[in-house]
Amino acid sequence: SQQGEEDPQALSIQEGENATMNCSYKTSINNLQWYRQNSGRGLVHLILIRSNEREKHSGRLRVTLDTSKKSSSLLITASRAADTASYFCATLGGDSGYALNFGKGTSLLVTP
Amino acid sequence: EAQVTQNPRYLITVTGKKLTVTCSQNMNHEYMSWYRQDPGLGLRQIYYSMNVEVTDKGDVPEGYKVSRKEKRNFPLILESPSPNQTSLYFCASSLNSGLPNYGYTFGSGTRLTVV
Repeated sequence: SQQGEEDPQALSIQEGENATMNCSYKTSINNLQWYRQNSGRGLVHLILIRSNEREKHSGRLRVTLDTSKKSSSLLITASRAADTASYFCATLGGDSGYALNFGKGTSLLVTP
Repeated sequence: EAQVTQNPRYLITVTGKKLTVTCSQNMNHEYMSWYRQDPGLGLRQIYYSMNVEVTDKGDVPEGYKVSRKEKRNFPLILESPSPNQTSLYFCASSLNSGLPNYGYTFGSGTRLTVV
């Protein structure tokens, strides 16, 4: 089944810096979503971008989607220690049908 | 508070002893799903349900059963658990019954160990 793939696998930055994570996928999609997971906890939905959208903002989050390159990026501006978590992209639609398919995640560490 | 509630949070069991992990949502969501999360493999879908009495297999359904007799509940049943089912399990729900265009709401997870 289709699965997004995040890059980098791990990212370490200092508070106040911006964090950028990328996601690539293989086939057509209906939408792409980003989730955050604090260690061992449930995933929290951050933002959804539909296939006909190119950019979306939510607070300090900015998501872009390039369907021609089958890629998305998540930018977190002015990072805080509380942003330390794993971030997953998930794709819906296309060959995966009704299944929301997750990548393996980017582990973000924000140090004070 | 809108939420997905899973129970138990932690479970240690022995091979072959049937168990059920419960999942309940209070948001009147039509779509519910079970995932397992394993190191290096990410989240993989086990089963999903688009509405009451409608269930379907995900990517890794072997060894699992589900039922959806009521809209709010979607239990995961392991008839004869084996050590390879040791994992972190998540239940999730979403509003739509068609192709979901809304984010999922996840439960807090159930960490299952089968010895």
